[in-house]
Order: sequence, then structure tokens, then C-alpha cells
Amino acid sequence: EPEVTQTPSHQVTQMGQEVILRCVPISNHLYFYWYRQILGQKVEFLVSFYNNEISEKSEIFDDQFSVERPDGSNFTLKIRSTKLEDSAMYFCASRVPGLATGGSYNEQFFGPGTRLTVL
Amino acid sequence: GESVGLHLPTLSVQEGDNSIINCAYSNSASDYFIWYKQESGKGPQFIIDIRSNMDKRQGQRVTVLLNKTVKHLSLQIAATQPGDSAVYFCAERGNQGGKLIFGQGTELSVKP
Repeated sequence: EPEVTQTPSHQVTQMGQEVILRCVPISNHLYFYWYRQILGQKVEFLVSFYNNEISEKSEIFDDQFSVERPDGSNFTLKIRSTKLEDSAMYFCASRVPGLATGGSYNEQFFGPGTRLTVL
Repeated sequence: GESVGLHLPTLSVQEGDNSIINCAYSNSASDYFIWYKQESGKGPQFIIDIRSNMDKRQGQRVTVLLNKTVKHLSLQIAATQPGDSAVYFCAERGNQGGKLIFGQGTELSVKP
């Protein structure tokens, strides 16, 4: 069964450093998303990406964040200068356009996440 | 200083019993709702979804009920098993772009 993959599984960085989180969405999907989840809290939307551009972003997604689809398979999230409060699980998700198959209407498939720890 | 996370609502059930997990959503214009299951250290896993023009949808051992009048969503799990132990999140789609707005989550604990 196809799945979203993310690397690394755990990233430890010093405050002020740049990090790049990587995702490989499911191959025929065209919508891509990043979410984050601070420990013990709910999942929060960061950004959506379609047709090689950002389609929506949240207040969390400020100038320190950027996304890129550098080739036909990877989707990356960059944080330019990490802060302590950026420590969280970061999830990538993807979906097909329009109606999905297999019983769901519009399912977003989530990757396993990258745990980012900023020291 | 020490950070304190939100205290999740918890539901504890006996193996074999039925579970009902509730969720209140915020946007009356939301047209699509999903239940996700999240096991420790993993990403959200799709369970079942429902569109706003329906009030009930059934899957394998799971049923989602939607009450748009009071903006309430519930997930029913029949014959709950230890493998069902996880945190369950409801999510609503806020617009056609697909952004999901997640609820707080409920921790389900199944006692053998």
C-alpha cells in the first residue's frame, strides 16, 4: 500500500539553526500539506501546496518557514532560524484532487512525522 | 520553565464494549469531516469520513454520526479491542483547499 514517508524521524538542532524536513508524498497525489503537533496538543495546520505554489498558510507559517517541491517526488519544509517553540512533531500529508477512491471522499494521508527538538 | 500540555479527555472501556467518542466542531460552513486515530509516536491514521450532506456513515466496526444543528460529530466503535487504544481526533475541512482543522482529541483506553 502506498504511503507518505518522512525523513529524518528525529532532528535535534540548536536554536537559530536552519532545518529542512523532508517528505515523499504518495506518487499520484497533487495536494501537499504540512501540519505540526506540539507534545500533548492537537494537530495544527501550517501550509497547503498545490500546482507548485502555496495555496493557503496559517498564522504559524511566518517568514521563517518555507516549502518547496524541488523535484517530482520530494516536498520539503524549511525553518530558517529555529526557535525553542518550534519543537514539535511535523507531519506531511498528501491527497488526490477531487474525490478519492477506496471508500473515502477526500482523505489526506499522513506520514509518520519528524520529531524536531530545538535546544 | 516547564511547559504543560493540554490534558486530553479520556475514555476508558472494557474490551468488547462499544465506545462513543464525541467532538464539537466550530465552522457551520465546513463540508467534510474525518476521524483520525493516532497511536503513540505515529502520524494520524484515517478511520472514516463523512460529507455534510449526510448524517450517518458506517465502516467496518465504526460509525460516524453528524448533527449539523448542534455542530456535533461522534465516532462509535463496536466491540472495542485493545488495538483500538489510541488518541482519536475529529477534523473538519474548512475550505475546498483541503486544510483540516483538528479537534482536541480523546484518549481511548481499552481494558482487557
